[in-house]
Amino acid sequence: AQKVTQAQTEISVVEKEDVTLDCVYETRDTTYYLFWYKQPPSGELVFLIRRNSFDEQNEISGRYSWNFQKSTSSFNFTITASQVVDSAVYFCALRGIIQGAQKLVFGQGTRLTINP
Amino acid sequence: EAGVAQSPRYKIIEKRQSVAFWCNPISGHATLYWYQQILGQGPKLLIQFQNNGVVDDSQLPKDRFSAERLKGVDSTLKIQPAKLEDSAVYLCASSRRGSATGELFFGEGSRLTVL
Repeated sequence: AQKVTQAQTEISVVEKEDVTLDCVYETRDTTYYLFWYKQPPSGELVFLIRRNSFDEQNEISGRYSWNFQKSTSSFNFTITASQVVDSAVYFCALRGIIQGAQKLVFGQGTRLTINP
Repeated sequence: EAGVAQSPRYKIIEKRQSVAFWCNPISGHATLYWYQQILGQGPKLLIQFQNNGVVDDSQLPKDRFSAERLKGVDSTLKIQPAKLEDSAVYLCASSRRGSATGELFFGEGSRLTVL
C-alpha cells in the first residue's frame, strides 16, 4: 500500500526561526517519487520539489532544504530563517503504482504559521 | 504560460441538487486530474485523463459523480445529486505526461458547500 504520514498537523513559530516538517512514507515499489507542495490561502497547490527513490542526495534551494532518507522512509522539509510568507499548508506526496496505475498520494498536510 | 483555470471558485447548493465544475489545463498538457480535498485532509484523486481517455477513475463515486474531457483539452466534473459529504474543494491539475516524473500543476480549486 502507498501511504504518506505527516504527523504534525499544525506548527506555529516566530519569524526567523528554523522549522522542519516531517514526512514518512510507505511503499513496496522500488521506483517511486516524492514531492512537496505548498498550499497558500489562495488554495492553489504549488510544486516545491520532486525526488526519485534512487537519489538520496539532500537538496537546498535558498532557505528551503530537503532531507531524504530511505533507511527511515522519510523526506523531511526544513525552512531556515522562516518568514511570514512561508505561512501555508504543506503537503508531502508519494507517486507510485497503485492497482497498475501511477498515482500521487498526499499526506494530510501540515499547517505552518509564521508569526511576526 | 497561463496556469490551470477553474470555475466557479465557489458554489453553494442544497443537497440533492446538481453542480458542475469546469477546468482548462495548461496548453499542451495531455494529462488532466480531478482531486477532491475535504477540509483538513490531503487531496484525493477522483479521476485521471490521458488526452480524452480515462486512465483511472477507481475512486470516483460513479453513482453521483461524472467527468468528461471530450476534445482532450478542457474538462467538466459533475455531481448529481449532491450529498452533504461532497462539501470540499475540487482541484484540477494537469501535467505534460502521465509518467511518474510528471510534475502536476494545480488550479486554485472550486469550493463546494452542500447545505
